[in-house]
Amino acid sequence: DAKTTQPTSMDCAEGRAANLPCNHSTISGNEYVYWYRQIHSQGPQYIIHGLKNNETNEMASLIITEDRKSSTLILPHATLRDTAVYYCIVRPFTGTASKLTFGTGTRLQVTL
Amino acid sequence: GAGVSQSPSNKVTEKGKDVELRCDPISGHTALYWYRQSLGQGLEFLIYFQGNSAPDKSGLPSDRFSAERTGGSVSTLTIQRTQQEDSAVYLCASSLRQASSGNTIYFGEGSWLTVV
Repeated sequence: DAKTTQPTSMDCAEGRAANLPCNHSTISGNEYVYWYRQIHSQGPQYIIHGLKNNETNEMASLIITEDRKSSTLILPHATLRDTAVYYCIVRPFTGTASKLTFGTGTRLQVTL
Repeated sequence: GAGVSQSPSNKVTEKGKDVELRCDPISGHTALYWYRQSLGQGLEFLIYFQGNSAPDKSGLPSDRFSAERTGGSVSTLTIQRTQQEDSAVYLCASSLRQASSGNTIYFGEGSWLTVV
């Protein structure tokens, strides 16, 4: 599985857009980019995923570069409830690989 | 329920005792995963079940850990002769099938285990 690199921590003012970067320079053509977050003491929560096109849902937008070596998760209007650890993960979509490998993630602190 | 259900939510046990943790996956989900997370640490993969295939046990840290899945639904994670380093939150997750084609994995809220 490709590895990902994320900043350890980031701050964002409430109401502003939070842009969380992720580097996955060794990603393979059959691997998706997934984002999860974990709010303190809770199980990880799925946010969004994509292969090569930008994606948007009710929670966030995912921007994947054309070469797919990096991506950015965008929370358009961050709130205090978005304070969490955000994980960027790559997963193959074919074959027998089954593990979802979590890195250390980015700790996002949303402040007033 | 609509989500992955785990029990107990909290468990305190004495060192050396055996514990069982239960996971009820989302109805219809054939893939089931166990992870653990020690305090302040990342998520560590333990084991993965997919239908009738042999489980992927590559993440189990020692032979004190085992898991089974009966009838392709409920799973039990068993830790024998618990040690203090086993203290962690044990997370169960499920998905519609093998992690492929973009199928999303959904996590439960975890079982917090404290070994004293």
